[in-house]
Parts: sequence; structure tokens; C-alpha cells
Amino acid sequence: ETGVTQTPRHLVMGMTNKKSLKCEQHLGHNAMYWYKQSAKKPLELMFVYNFKEQTENNSVPSRFSPECPNSSHLFLHLHTLQPEDSALYLCASRPLGDYEKLFFGSGTQLSVL
Amino acid sequence: DAKTTQPNSMESNEEEPVHLPCNHSTISGTDYIHWYRQLPSQGPEYVIHGLTSNVNNRMASLAIAEDRKSSTLILHRATLRDAAVYYCILRDVVSGTSYGKLTFGQGTILTVHP
Repeated sequence: ETGVTQTPRHLVMGMTNKKSLKCEQHLGHNAMYWYKQSAKKPLELMFVYNFKEQTENNSVPSRFSPECPNSSHLFLHLHTLQPEDSALYLCASRPLGDYEKLFFGSGTQLSVL
Repeated sequence: DAKTTQPNSMESNEEEPVHLPCNHSTISGTDYIHWYRQLPSQGPEYVIHGLTSNVNNRMASLAIAEDRKSSTLILHRATLRDAAVYYCILRDVVSGTSYGKLTFGQGTILTVHP
């Protein structure tokens, strides 16, 4: 248990649906991240938030829309996804002042039909 | 970011030591060496990191070659719970915006036999 909780654990959605992934941590961390892990591919960084401000968008398509309302919560809003977007979406957080350790959640396994 | 090379897979027996190698011949002087592991159905988990000197913690030891072109993660007594994908990652500490921006490779799949 890392202290980073992601919900739901599994999600199946159609290409016309709108859904949201949620990430929550009460570790006092101020940096939060979304990573994507496709089958048989390495993890890819998607977004970075520091103190609720987005500081990195790794050329992610606009059908993925992140939101960070406070330092404890991170959302990934999904709309009009494609089947190739099916993947494990991982949230991570980092303590302020500790630049070397990321704490990952268990991820949301997303299937787009 | 400098690139790392790891074997695709390794096997070990329970309660034996495991040495997981990583080559990073293009490492720069400001690159930290990180190791994470990913157990089945979980997100990656931090294991250890170092810059130049060997490092020990409760999970593992990190041995860094003198020229820093390679490193080895050492699990002193493998257990079945250590079966995972192990990632060796370099992170440049010069860039202040690089914190948490880890570039994962394919990693090494470690199988532990009872």
C-alpha cells in the first residue's frame, strides 16, 4: 500500500462515452503525475502537476483532459477515446523536497470498445 | 535522457541472491541511477537510487561501477514476492523540471522459483 489510491480499478467504455479516472493521496505530496502503460510498451509520462499547476503535457491528445483541484486529488477526464487508448493508467505522487521517489497507485485498467 | 540496457529476463531460486545488471554507457555526470520494480497488477515501486557510491537500504543494494557505465541491483535473498519487472532508469538532476519524469524501458522480468 503506497498511499496513492486510484479508482476505478477497471473501466470499460465505448468510444462515445465520457468517463473520469480519479487519483487520491493524503501523503502531503505536492507533485502528481499521470503515466500510461500500454500492453508490451514501456510506461509513458502524460502529465505533471506541481502545486495544482500543470507543468508538463507530454503531447497528449486533447481527448485526455487532466484536472488537479487540490494537491491531494488528480483526475483524468476521458472523452471520445479510441481502442488504442486501452491501457493501464497510473497515477503517481512525489513528496516536496524529495526529488528521487515516486509513489505510484495500482492503476486503472481501461478498455475502450 | 541517456539510455539503459537490461536483460529481458532472469531467473532465480528462492533464498538465493540475485544480481540484476544494467548498462548505461552514455551516462552523464549528473545522472542519478534509479531502480523501480513493478509487481503483477500493481504500479511501479521505488527500490533504490544512487549517484556514484554504492547504496544499501532495506529492500536491496545498488552497486555502481567506478566508471558509472554500469550498475547492479542486488537482492540479497530472493523471495517469491520479489518476482516482478525491474526497471533501471537514469534521471538528469541538472534539469529542475525533470523531477519525477522517469523514462521507463522494458525492464527485466525476474522469475523466482520455490
